[in-house]
Amino acid sequence: NAGVTQTPKFQVLKTGQSMTLQCAQDMNHEYMSWYRQDPGMGLRLIHYSVGAGITDQGEVPNGYNVSRSTTEDFPLRLLSAAPSQTSVYFCASRQHGATEAFFGQGTRLTVV
Amino acid sequence: AQKITQTQPGMFVQEKEAVTLDCTYDTSDQSYGLFWYKQPSSGEMIFLIYQGSYDEQNATEGRYSLNFQKARKSANLVISASQLGDSAMYFCAMNPESNRLAFGKGNQVVVIP
Repeated sequence: NAGVTQTPKFQVLKTGQSMTLQCAQDMNHEYMSWYRQDPGMGLRLIHYSVGAGITDQGEVPNGYNVSRSTTEDFPLRLLSAAPSQTSVYFCASRQHGATEAFFGQGTRLTVV
Repeated sequence: AQKITQTQPGMFVQEKEAVTLDCTYDTSDQSYGLFWYKQPSSGEMIFLIYQGSYDEQNATEGRYSLNFQKARKSANLVISASQLGDSAMYFCAMNPESNRLAFGKGNQVVVIP
């Protein structure tokens, strides 16, 4: 069972570079979300999606774009990386009405 | 917006003792879910327990129980018979009607032998 797969696990970017964090789930879950985790801040919601073609902003959306063209994939794009985006990023998925959200292993991103 | 508050500083607990982790939340929704997740030093997020706002019984999952007091808007996690492997960060989370799962800042627990 693959569950939620995030790639890459680690990434170093230079300020101003762009990149896409990949997230894929094979459980046919409707809901998918991106969080960032910073020391002492818990997990903060960046963007989320309730189904293919539907996305919405979370608590800290600035500097990030998302799209959801399929149920399985929910990529997170950084258009112009900044040091403030250094963080650990988690993707999560959940079935509508379910009691548990499943998380990927996380991506540790460093922007220098 | 929903708010989850976990204010306890890092906690040390003796092996085999019980520990209670506090969580309070703020919402105007009538229907919502409350979760606890464990994050060990390896970094993964591990689901522990769930409580629905309309559930009359407190949720239990093995050594984990959730002390749900709806009127006080609290959802404390109780870990009984602590084990060394329970050393981790613990996050309280709430899923409101909007389905935007929100997390508290976490509680660090260290189990000492």
